[in-house]
Amino acid sequence: AQKVTQAQTEISVVEKEDVTLDCVYETRDTTYYLFWYKQPPSGELVFLIRRNSFDEQNEISGRYSWNFQKSTSSFNFTITASQVVDSAVYFCALSQYSGGGADGLTFGKGTHLIIQP
Amino acid sequence: SAVISQKPSRDICQRGTSLTIQCQVDSQVTMMFWYRQQPGQSLTLIATANQGSEATYESGFVIDKFPISRPNLTFSTLTVSNMSPEDSSIYLCSAGQGRNYGYTFGSGTRLTVV
Repeated sequence: AQKVTQAQTEISVVEKEDVTLDCVYETRDTTYYLFWYKQPPSGELVFLIRRNSFDEQNEISGRYSWNFQKSTSSFNFTITASQVVDSAVYFCALSQYSGGGADGLTFGKGTHLIIQP
Repeated sequence: SAVISQKPSRDICQRGTSLTIQCQVDSQVTMMFWYRQQPGQSLTLIATANQGSEATYESGFVIDKFPISRPNLTFSTLTVSNMSPEDSSIYLCSAGQGRNYGYTFGSGTRLTVV
């Protein structure tokens, strides 16, 4: 069985601070996908990134960056110079890739990020 | 990436009744998924719906309670049957395949059972 752990239930920082959201996953498969989603108070799920298990390159997109380390089964997300609009619940998720295609996602419990002005 | 239209966006239903949620995708996709998000909780996969085969349900979810249809490659429905207040949740669908996999979710259906 696969599992995603987001140990940080809630994080509160002051605007312009950097913040890292942790994600640790468990899977027995060698082929899998990792995701991050943002869920603002309005409720929709906003896709942020997808990474497959064979691509360990870190990625940067504007103020967002992701650190994928297979050795520690972690896929952490950092927001640099945080802004109030970053306030949301962030979910890390994992999907296996079986012979018939990708499976549904297993989500972590989410981290509620609060950016104070 | 695919765009998904989900409806209704919200509903308030009486216990014992059923509600059917629809998801329409703007492109053909092999796989569609249905999730439940209980209040203040994470998302849980209910079932996978592939066109041309019966839906595959996750542990804790059964077809009699959550029947799913997948009549073609762009459309799926989830019915929440014989509802109780414990079914009050947000229900979301997702679709995609290949390079588009995992990108898109519907906007969700916020269900309240009274």
